[in-house]
Amino acid sequence: KAGVTQTPRYLIKTRGQQVTLSCSPISGHRSVSWYQQTPGQGLQFLFEYFSETQRNKGNFPGRFSGRQFSNSRSEMNVSTLELGDSALYLCASSLALGGADTEAFFGQGTRLTVV
Amino acid sequence: DAKTTQPTSMDCAEGRAANLPCNHSTISGNEYVYWYRQIHSQGPQYIIHGLKNNETNEMASLIITEDRKSSTLILPHATLRDTAVYYCILWTSGNKLVFGAGTILRVKS
Repeated sequence: KAGVTQTPRYLIKTRGQQVTLSCSPISGHRSVSWYQQTPGQGLQFLFEYFSETQRNKGNFPGRFSGRQFSNSRSEMNVSTLELGDSALYLCASSLALGGADTEAFFGQGTRLTVV
Repeated sequence: DAKTTQPTSMDCAEGRAANLPCNHSTISGNEYVYWYRQIHSQGPQYIIHGLKNNETNEMASLIITEDRKSSTLILPHATLRDTAVYYCILWTSGNKLVFGAGTILRVKS
């Protein structure tokens, strides 16, 4: 079956702009999590959605937001982009809420560069 | 914050077993031990997980000590393609998946 699909794969934006990234989970998976990966900070958790509700949130400013649709697809939005937002943004999907003896599968990520 | 401790890096000869240790002395009873790996610039790949029994799948084996305070991931016959960062993570239902710094495994020919 198809894996986790993230679009776009690469993106270049200017400081101050906003960006929306998309994640399509594996069919049947209801949980979607987002992560930011930078060389300095490693993989950091942004938020998790399950059944269209945000269930967990990481320590990121309010400029980072997300949502999940009824078909489990998820989007994350970053407003007022800063140079430090340049990163690989990863999405993971799982059948249930994390950790319940379930596996999370990651997409290939969206590489965002802010100039 | 990550609740596991892993060596920063390890080397392994191609064709030999790679044994990656992980300490998790404050593990709770309902926390599973998960292993993921990440090959450069790709999304992390699920390897294996377990609660208290040893587990084996087509990729690896997971050995968890009886007191559950440490575990070892075993790649039985390492290949060059196994060179990656390996993450040992504790995960419980309803909580977020938190990645630490991981172990850089270098498989050498």
